[in-house]
Amino acid sequence: KAGVTQTPRYLIKTRGQQVTLSCSPISGHRSVSWYQQTPGQGLQFLFEYFSETQRNKGNFPGRFSGRQFSNSRSEMNVSTLELGDSALYLCASSLLRDRYNEQFFGPGTRLTVL
Amino acid sequence: DQQVKQNSPSLSVQEGRISILNCDYTNSMFDYFLWYKKYPAEGPTFLISISSIKDKNEDGRFTVFLNKSAKHLSLHIVPSQPGDSAVYFCAAKPPGNNRKLIWGLGTSLAVNP
Repeated sequence: KAGVTQTPRYLIKTRGQQVTLSCSPISGHRSVSWYQQTPGQGLQFLFEYFSETQRNKGNFPGRFSGRQFSNSRSEMNVSTLELGDSALYLCASSLLRDRYNEQFFGPGTRLTVL
Repeated sequence: DQQVKQNSPSLSVQEGRISILNCDYTNSMFDYFLWYKKYPAEGPTFLISISSIKDKNEDGRFTVFLNKSAKHLSLHIVPSQPGDSAVYFCAAKPPGNNRKLIWGLGTSLAVNP
C-alpha cells in the first residue's frame, strides 16, 4: 500500500507570496492532518480534515487555510508569506476508527521564505 | 502551555547500551500515549503506544513505561543501535472524540558506534 505523498518536497518563496501544498493520504484513510515543524517548536498542529470538513484547528493565523477533496486528497494554503513561515510542513493521514489516532506521515514539504 | 514535555533536547548513548527517553505530561485525562521516531528529511513514523490503563508495553527492543501518579512516561531502547539515531517525539491523545494529538518537542538521540 502506498504511503502518504506530499508535493512539492521543496519550495522557495519570497515574503508576501502565497503557496499551496498538496497531500495524498494512504488509500482508505479519510482523515488528513497538517503540522508545522520548526526547530525548537516540535510539531505544531495546523488542522484536521475529514469528509471535506475541517474537524480540528490549531492556533495559527487565518493566513493558513486548507481544504479536502472528495477523494480525501488535501491542500494547504499559506497566503502573504512571512519569514517565520519557513518550516517543514507535514501531512498525516489516519483511520477514524483506531483507538489512539495513529498518524501516518508523509515526508513533508520544506518551505523556505526569503 | 506545553501539556507534553520532553525536557531533554538531546541524548547520546553508546551502541549496545540502554537509551531512556523521558516525557512528562500535565493532563491526567489523556487516554493514550504514543512515541514516534523521525529521521532527517522524513516524516515521523509510529513506534509504540500505551494505553493509560497500562503501565508497560513492550515491542521488541522498545518498551514504554507509564507512571500515572507521576504523570511520566519513558521509552527504553535495549540494546541501542546506530540506526536508532533519530528524533523521538512523545504524543498524547485526549479522551473521547477529540482526535488532536498533543506533541512534545522531541529528543534527539545519537547512538555512537
